[in-house]
Amino acid sequence: NAGVTQTPKFQVLKTGQSMTLQCAQDMNHEYMSWYRQDPGMGLRLIHYSVGAGITDQGEVPNGYNVSRSTTEDFPLRLLSAAPSQTSVYFCASSSPRQGGSYEQYFGPGTRLTVT
Amino acid sequence: AQKVTQAQTEISVVEKEDVTLDCVYETRDTTYYLFWYKQPPSGELVFLIRRNSFDEQNEISGRYSWNFQKSTSSFNFTITASQVVDSAVYFCALRGFGGAGKSTFGDGTTLTVKP
Repeated sequence: NAGVTQTPKFQVLKTGQSMTLQCAQDMNHEYMSWYRQDPGMGLRLIHYSVGAGITDQGEVPNGYNVSRSTTEDFPLRLLSAAPSQTSVYFCASSSPRQGGSYEQYFGPGTRLTVT
Repeated sequence: AQKVTQAQTEISVVEKEDVTLDCVYETRDTTYYLFWYKQPPSGELVFLIRRNSFDEQNEISGRYSWNFQKSTSSFNFTITASQVVDSAVYFCALRGFGGAGKSTFGDGTTLTVKP
């Protein structure tokens, strides 16, 4: 299994450009999430999904869109990039276990710079 | 609302010293789950342990041990006989019952182990 994969690994955008960060998992996990990590901070939840066709907002959703048409893929779209969106983006997936406890598996991250 | 506080921003120790990383959390859920993740300099996030709120048994895994105290809302992580390879950022995370794909992370503690 490849686990959780993210592309690209690095990206530089100009203010106002749009782009899509790709995330895929091959573990047949129901749950997928996008987080951003800013310097000196923990991860903040952008959007998450509990299954194909179902998405919801996290703590910092503004400026981002998601969709979940398949179990495997969960792309994150930046509509009009702003310097404040310069960050490292992590995609994660997980699957419920008996008892409800389950850890998230993270992709390697995408380092995005908006100039 | 949930909150995770890692009061120690940075810790520096000399190899073979023991070190404890503190984690204090807030939640209104009676059932919840706690996690520790490691982020080495390479940037990926590595799952270390999960703990259910109804299981207060402490756990030891090699040089790692975790102390969960519900009475003080703490879930501390101790590394015994630290090694240079333990140098990383460590994150404590909390997920409430039913919070599929939604974890709240602390800001992380940067541990530096010097030879």
